[in-house]
Amino acid sequence: GENVEQHPSTLSVQEGDSAVIKCTYSDSASNYFPWYKQELGKRPQLIIDIRSNVGEKKDQRIAVTLNKTAKHFSLHITETQPEDSAVYFCADGGEGQNFVFGPGTRLSVLP
Amino acid sequence: DVKVTQSSRYLVKRTGEKVFLECVQDMDHENMFWYRQDPGLGLRLIYFSYDVKMKEKGDIPEGYSVSREKKERFSLILESASTNQTSMYLCASSMDRGNEQYFGPGTRLTVT
Repeated sequence: GENVEQHPSTLSVQEGDSAVIKCTYSDSASNYFPWYKQELGKRPQLIIDIRSNVGEKKDQRIAVTLNKTAKHFSLHITETQPEDSAVYFCADGGEGQNFVFGPGTRLSVLP
Repeated sequence: DVKVTQSSRYLVKRTGEKVFLECVQDMDHENMFWYRQDPGLGLRLIYFSYDVKMKEKGDIPEGYSVSREKKERFSLILESASTNQTSMYLCASSMDRGNEQYFGPGTRLTVT
């Protein structure tokens, strides 16, 4: 069945550095790729998403890139801050499809 | 602003008990989902519903059932709770399948 791999599983960075999380997927029909952030004890919340008709999308310090040929997409966080510490989940979906989530990446931003 | 609520944040039940987890959304969303979240496994889909009284199995439906009698409410039922069902349960809703899902706060269920 459909599978989404996510790497790394844990990531520690110094405050101000960049963080990159990568996901790969297997379903060629997928055309929607969201990223969710889950802070400790809170619900997952969408932080950015991308559709297959674009290769990159930015929103302030976060960006997502998509390579449909290679079937991978990445989350980039620049100038990391302590409040970026959380678990990040990628997913793939598309019209009429359910999401398949990656296993998550625990990001720690060290002051 | 979309709001998804779940009936309990924490729940402790005994093995063999019947357990009901309730989820309510206030945005008239067609689609509702139940996931369980376990460390290192991400979010795994248990059941989903795309309309009132409609339900479909997800990836891990064994040991669970669901009910959707009203559009805004989606219930997850553990017919006979077992210790391997100890987990965080998250409900979500969306207007369209395959597009943004909004999550509830989660119910941490412990079965002893």
